[in-house]
Amino acid sequence: NAGVTQTPKFRVLKTGQSMTLLCAQDMNHEYMYWYRQDPGMGLRLIHYSVGEGTTAKGEVPDGYNVSRLKKQNFLLGLESAAPSQTSVYFCASRHEGRLNTGELFFGEGSRLTVL
Amino acid sequence: TQLLEQSPQFLSIQEGENLTVYCNSSSVFSSLQWYRQEPGEGPVLLVTVVTGGEVKKLKRLTFQFGDARKDSSLHITAAQPGDTGLYLCAGAPGNQFYFGTGTSLTVIP
Repeated sequence: NAGVTQTPKFRVLKTGQSMTLLCAQDMNHEYMYWYRQDPGMGLRLIHYSVGEGTTAKGEVPDGYNVSRLKKQNFLLGLESAAPSQTSVYFCASRHEGRLNTGELFFGEGSRLTVL
Repeated sequence: TQLLEQSPQFLSIQEGENLTVYCNSSSVFSSLQWYRQEPGEGPVLLVTVVTGGEVKKLKRLTFQFGDARKDSSLHITAAQPGDTGLYLCAGAPGNQFYFGTGTSLTVIP
């Protein structure tokens, strides 16, 4: 049971470089999310998607772009990486659920360091 | 300012002690969830509370949803070292799904 898979798990970038994080889920979930986790900040929502072909901004979207061309995949892109984007990135997916009760399933995280 | 504020941010207690973690917001939620995260892993769902005033028990963990559905609490009885981890509350006003600031719990044997 793969669940939610994130690649890569680790990456080191230089300031100004670009990269894409891939999230894949095999549970046929409609909703997908990208979060970043920094010490003392919990998880902050970057972008999310409520279905194939749709994306929307979360709390901290600046400096990131996303795409959801296929229902099972949600890509997070950094066009010009900055040291402030050093963080652990988590992807999650869920069914909608009544009253927003759908459980979030998370990937193992991607640790990104920008020098 | 985050939508969901948790307190305390850090908690270090001896095995066998009781503790309570709080999750507060100025917004009303249709439901709130609690997750637990261990180092190097993603968060895992512990419970979902839906009804204002609802109390749910999961072994030694007791979860409560405030009457006004703006806050929640997690109480652990007789904490054990296996309870060590980061506890996060979460809620979805609409399609977005927000997490609280987190409470890092360490239970010392």
